[in-house]
Amino acid sequence: EVQLLESGGGLVQPGGSLRLSCAASGFTFSNFGMSWVRQAAGKGLEWVSGISHSGGIISYGDSVKGRFAISRDNSKNTLYLQMNSLRAEDTAVYYCVRRSSGLDAFDIWGQGTMVTVSA
Amino acid sequence: AIQMTQSPSSLSASVGDRVTITCRASQDIRNDLGWYQQKPGKAPNLLIYAASSLQSGVPSRFSGSGSGTDFTLTISSLQPEDFATYYCLQDYNYPFTFGPGTKVDI
Repeated sequence: EVQLLESGGGLVQPGGSLRLSCAASGFTFSNFGMSWVRQAAGKGLEWVSGISHSGGIISYGDSVKGRFAISRDNSKNTLYLQMNSLRAEDTAVYYCVRRSSGLDAFDIWGQGTMVTVSA
Repeated sequence: AIQMTQSPSSLSASVGDRVTITCRASQDIRNDLGWYQQKPGKAPNLLIYAASSLQSGVPSRFSGSGSGTDFTLTISSLQPEDFATYYCLQDYNYPFTFGPGTKVDI
């Protein structure tokens, strides 16, 4: 079964750091681009960051540029999001998402991990 | 960044109704647009990719059309399980951007 399982969410103080992980299974992870998408409570979806299958192409949304870093370890089938200088407005559910190269779309989503930034 | 707008922001409809949701991009994005359905407490689910291609397993009552800046998602005959929020997403260039969503109440 194709699956994405996020972990690493939790409560962190403003200005703090957190690293999210996403374990992929059921497919050849190294063949797919990946992204992180977040959603604050009661709000819409926001694309946060994306990385190509090899890690050679990386991009960030304007709201996290310079604070967040996406990476991947294809030998471990794992995607990461290092989040630094966290703000209250970063509070959200963070989804790990697979980008299908054939469809050019986000075809597989994880269940999400909650990040709360609060004193 | 490319801005995406959606209309309406919400709608109420009855079972069997034909429902149309519109998405507009702030610049030409060719057909690089997807539609996603999200039910409360769940992760989004891909419905349509490349503006008009139906994702495998998605009921044929869902269809998409458009190119350039104007796009449409149509549900031909609304079913009770279609109660959800619908988002468009442009993946023409980075940063990818979602529309604000359309909530469909049955």
